[in-house]
Amino acid sequence: QQQVKQSPQSLIVQKGGISIINCAYENTAFDYFPWYQQFPGKGPALLIAIRPDVSEKKEGRFTISFNKSAKQFSLHIMDSQPGDSATYFCAASMIGNTPLVFGKGTRLSVIA
Amino acid sequence: NAGVTQTPKFRVLKTGQSMTLLCAQDMNHEYMYWYRQDPGMGLRLIHYSVGEGTTAKGEVPDGYNVSRLKKQNFLLGLESAAPSQTSVYFCASSYSMDIAMFFGPGTRLTVL
Repeated sequence: QQQVKQSPQSLIVQKGGISIINCAYENTAFDYFPWYQQFPGKGPALLIAIRPDVSEKKEGRFTISFNKSAKQFSLHIMDSQPGDSATYFCAASMIGNTPLVFGKGTRLSVIA
Repeated sequence: NAGVTQTPKFRVLKTGQSMTLLCAQDMNHEYMYWYRQDPGMGLRLIHYSVGEGTTAKGEVPDGYNVSRLKKQNFLLGLESAAPSQTSVYFCASSYSMDIAMFFGPGTRLTVL
Protein backbone atom coordinates (compact mmCIF):
# COMPACT_ATOMS: atom_id res chain seq x y z
CA GLN A 1 0.00 0.00 0.00
CA GLN A 2 1.52 3.26 -1.15
CA GLN A 3 1.06 5.81 1.61
CA VAL A 4 2.17 8.84 -0.37
CA LYS A 5 1.27 9.12 -4.05
CA GLN A 6 3.34 11.52 -6.10
CA SER A 7 2.70 12.88 -9.58
CA PRO A 8 3.80 13.37 -12.25
CA GLN A 9 6.58 10.83 -12.66
CA SER A 10 8.49 13.22 -14.91
CA LEU A 11 8.13 16.86 -15.83
CA ILE A 12 9.68 19.10 -18.46
CA VAL A 13 9.46 22.84 -17.90
CA GLN A 14 10.79 25.79 -19.84
CA LYS A 15 13.31 28.03 -18.13
CA GLY A 16 11.45 30.73 -16.25
CA GLY A 17 8.28 28.67 -15.98
CA ILE A 18 6.54 27.24 -12.94
CA SER A 19 7.12 23.62 -11.96
CA ILE A 20 4.35 21.95 -9.97
CA ILE A 21 4.63 18.54 -8.32
CA ASN A 22 1.75 17.04 -6.39
CA CYS A 23 1.45 14.53 -3.58
CA ALA A 24 -1.57 12.92 -1.96
CA TYR A 25 -1.81 10.93 1.23
CA GLU A 26 -4.46 8.86 3.01
CA ASN A 27 -3.32 8.74 6.61
CA THR A 28 -4.65 11.73 8.57
CA ALA A 29 -2.12 11.02 11.31
CA PHE A 30 0.67 12.38 9.10
CA ASP A 31 1.90 15.65 10.57
CA TYR A 32 5.17 16.45 8.83
CA PHE A 33 5.52 16.89 5.08
CA PRO A 34 8.99 17.53 3.65
CA TRP A 35 10.25 17.73 0.10
CA TYR A 36 13.68 16.38 -0.80
CA GLN A 37 15.79 17.25 -3.83
CA GLN A 38 18.23 14.80 -5.37
CA PHE A 39 20.82 15.53 -8.02
CA PRO A 40 22.27 12.67 -10.11
CA GLY A 41 24.85 10.67 -8.19
CA LYS A 42 24.05 12.37 -4.89
CA GLY A 43 21.96 11.62 -1.87
CA PRO A 44 18.65 13.45 -1.36
CA ALA A 45 18.73 16.71 0.59
CA LEU A 46 15.92 18.48 2.43
CA LEU A 47 14.52 21.31 0.34
CA ILE A 48 11.52 22.58 2.30
CA ALA A 49 9.01 21.19 4.80
CA ILE A 50 5.59 22.04 6.18
CA ARG A 51 3.36 21.04 9.08
CA PRO A 52 -0.45 20.89 8.82
CA ASP A 53 -1.06 23.99 10.94
CA VAL A 54 -0.23 26.23 7.95
CA SER A 55 -1.50 26.14 4.37
CA GLU A 56 1.57 27.51 2.66
CA LYS A 57 5.28 27.89 3.22
CA LYS A 58 7.65 29.78 0.97
CA GLU A 59 11.43 29.72 0.82
CA GLY A 60 12.85 31.70 -2.05
CA ARG A 61 11.50 30.30 -5.32
CA PHE A 62 10.15 27.18 -3.61
CA THR A 63 6.65 27.02 -2.11
CA ILE A 64 4.73 24.20 -0.47
CA SER A 65 0.94 24.44 -0.64
CA PHE A 66 -0.93 22.24 1.80
CA ASN A 67 -4.61 21.29 1.64
CA LYS A 68 -5.52 19.38 4.79
CA SER A 69 -9.11 18.64 3.81
CA ALA A 70 -8.07 17.22 0.45
CA LYS A 71 -5.07 15.44 1.96
CA GLN A 72 -2.81 16.89 -0.68
CA PHE A 73 0.33 18.97 -0.77
CA SER A 74 2.33 20.33 -3.64
CA LEU A 75 5.68 21.86 -4.46
CA HIS A 76 5.80 24.93 -6.69
CA ILE A 77 9.09 26.09 -8.16
CA MET A 78 8.79 29.61 -9.51
CA ASP A 79 11.07 30.92 -12.26
CA SER A 80 12.44 27.42 -12.82
CA GLN A 81 16.11 27.25 -13.79
CA PRO A 82 18.21 24.54 -15.46
CA GLY A 83 19.99 24.13 -12.11
CA ASP A 84 16.68 22.97 -10.63
CA SER A 85 16.80 19.87 -12.84
CA ALA A 86 16.75 17.03 -10.33
CA THR A 87 14.52 14.37 -8.85
CA TYR A 88 12.10 15.60 -6.20
CA PHE A 89 10.57 13.42 -3.51
CA CYS A 90 7.67 14.26 -1.26
CA ALA A 91 7.46 12.49 2.08
CA ALA A 92 5.38 12.29 5.22
CA SER A 93 5.73 11.07 8.76
CA MET A 94 3.19 10.35 11.47
CA ILE A 95 2.67 11.61 14.97
CA GLY A 96 4.49 9.38 17.41
CA ASN A 97 7.92 9.24 15.89
CA THR A 98 7.67 7.08 12.81
CA PRO A 99 10.11 7.15 9.89
CA LEU A 100 9.43 9.14 6.74
CA VAL A 101 7.58 7.45 3.92
CA PHE A 102 8.55 8.75 0.50
CA GLY A 103 6.70 9.21 -2.75
CA LYS A 104 8.17 7.59 -5.84
CA GLY A 105 9.79 10.77 -7.06
CA THR A 106 9.44 13.23 -9.94
CA ARG A 107 12.24 13.79 -12.39
CA LEU A 108 12.23 17.47 -13.33
CA SER A 109 14.02 18.75 -16.40
CA VAL A 110 14.20 22.50 -16.94
CA ILE A 111 15.14 23.32 -20.50
CA ALA A 112 16.42 26.63 -21.84
CA ASN B 1 32.16 17.98 9.56
CA ALA B 2 31.97 15.09 7.12
CA GLY B 3 28.23 14.63 7.72
CA VAL B 4 27.10 11.15 6.68
CA THR B 5 29.64 8.93 4.96
CA GLN B 6 29.14 5.53 3.36
CA THR B 7 31.62 2.80 2.57
CA PRO B 8 32.08 1.46 -0.07
CA LYS B 9 30.83 3.68 -2.92
CA PHE B 10 30.53 0.81 -5.40
CA ARG B 11 30.49 -2.95 -5.07
CA VAL B 12 29.84 -5.90 -7.32
CA LEU B 13 28.86 -9.21 -5.71
CA LYS B 14 28.07 -12.64 -6.98
CA THR B 15 24.83 -14.31 -5.95
CA GLY B 16 25.22 -15.86 -2.52
CA GLN B 17 28.11 -13.70 -1.38
CA SER B 18 27.86 -11.61 1.75
CA MET B 19 28.91 -8.07 2.49
CA THR B 20 28.51 -5.23 4.97
CA LEU B 21 27.82 -1.61 4.15
CA LEU B 22 29.11 0.90 6.67
CA CYS B 23 27.48 4.20 7.50
CA ALA B 24 29.06 6.78 9.78
CA GLN B 25 27.78 10.16 10.96
CA ASP B 26 29.55 12.85 12.96
CA MET B 27 26.50 14.95 13.88
CA ASN B 28 25.64 13.10 17.10
CA HIS B 29 22.28 12.09 15.66
CA GLU B 30 20.17 9.56 17.53
CA TYR B 31 18.29 8.28 14.51
CA MET B 32 19.82 6.43 11.59
CA TYR B 33 18.24 4.78 8.57
CA TRP B 34 18.98 2.59 5.59
CA TYR B 35 17.01 3.15 2.38
CA ARG B 36 17.25 1.55 -1.02
CA GLN B 37 16.48 3.41 -4.21
CA ASP B 38 15.33 1.64 -7.33
CA PRO B 39 14.10 3.22 -10.60
CA GLY B 40 10.44 4.13 -10.35
CA MET B 41 10.21 2.90 -6.76
CA GLY B 42 11.40 5.92 -4.84
CA LEU B 43 13.15 5.49 -1.52
CA ARG B 44 12.14 2.47 0.52
CA LEU B 45 13.11 2.05 4.14
CA ILE B 46 14.99 -1.15 4.95
CA HIS B 47 15.81 -0.79 8.65
CA TYR B 48 16.24 2.05 11.07
CA SER B 49 17.56 2.77 14.54
CA VAL B 50 16.29 5.19 17.19
CA GLY B 51 19.46 5.04 19.24
CA GLU B 52 22.60 3.08 20.04
CA GLY B 53 21.84 -0.62 20.46
CA THR B 54 18.39 -0.42 18.84
CA THR B 55 17.14 -1.50 15.43
CA ALA B 56 13.73 -1.78 13.81
CA LYS B 57 12.35 -3.12 10.55
CA GLY B 58 11.23 -0.84 7.79
CA GLU B 59 9.19 -1.49 4.67
CA VAL B 60 11.56 -3.94 2.93
CA PRO B 61 13.70 -5.67 5.60
CA ASP B 62 13.89 -9.20 4.16
CA GLY B 63 17.39 -10.33 3.24
CA TYR B 64 19.09 -7.62 5.30
CA ASN B 65 20.38 -7.32 8.84
CA VAL B 66 21.61 -4.25 10.70
CA SER B 67 23.55 -3.36 13.80
CA ARG B 68 24.04 -0.12 15.76
CA LEU B 69 26.77 -0.94 18.25
CA LYS B 70 28.04 2.65 18.33
CA LYS B 71 25.92 5.77 18.10
CA GLN B 72 27.84 7.09 15.11
CA ASN B 73 27.77 3.88 13.04
CA PHE B 74 24.98 1.91 11.40
CA LEU B 75 25.88 -1.27 9.51
CA LEU B 76 23.78 -2.96 6.85
CA GLY B 77 24.54 -6.60 6.13
CA LEU B 78 23.58 -8.86 3.27
CA GLU B 79 24.12 -12.47 4.31
CA SER B 80 23.43 -14.09 0.93
CA ALA B 81 23.15 -11.55 -1.85
CA ALA B 82 20.49 -11.94 -4.55
CA PRO B 83 20.12 -10.13 -7.88
CA SER B 84 16.97 -8.47 -6.49
CA GLN B 85 19.22 -6.62 -4.07
CA THR B 86 20.91 -4.76 -6.89
CA SER B 87 20.19 -1.16 -5.95
CA VAL B 88 21.57 2.10 -4.67
CA TYR B 89 21.67 2.12 -0.89
CA PHE B 90 21.44 5.33 1.10
CA CYS B 91 22.14 5.82 4.74
CA ALA B 92 20.65 8.80 6.56
CA SER B 93 20.60 10.27 10.03
CA SER B 94 18.58 12.83 11.97
CA TYR B 95 18.01 14.28 15.45
CA SER B 96 14.41 13.14 15.33
CA MET B 97 11.99 11.76 12.76
CA ASP B 98 10.20 15.01 12.06
CA ILE B 99 13.09 17.28 11.19
CA ALA B 100 15.75 17.27 8.49
CA MET B 101 17.19 13.93 7.54
CA PHE B 102 20.77 14.01 6.22
CA PHE B 103 21.66 11.47 3.55
CA GLY B 104 24.98 9.96 2.64
CA PRO B 105 26.26 9.83 -0.95
CA GLY B 106 25.03 6.30 -1.55
CA THR B 107 26.48 2.87 -2.34
CA ARG B 108 25.79 1.37 -5.73
CA LEU B 109 25.54 -2.40 -5.36
CA THR B 110 25.30 -4.84 -8.23
CA VAL B 111 24.59 -8.51 -7.60
CA LEU B 112 25.34 -10.78 -10.53
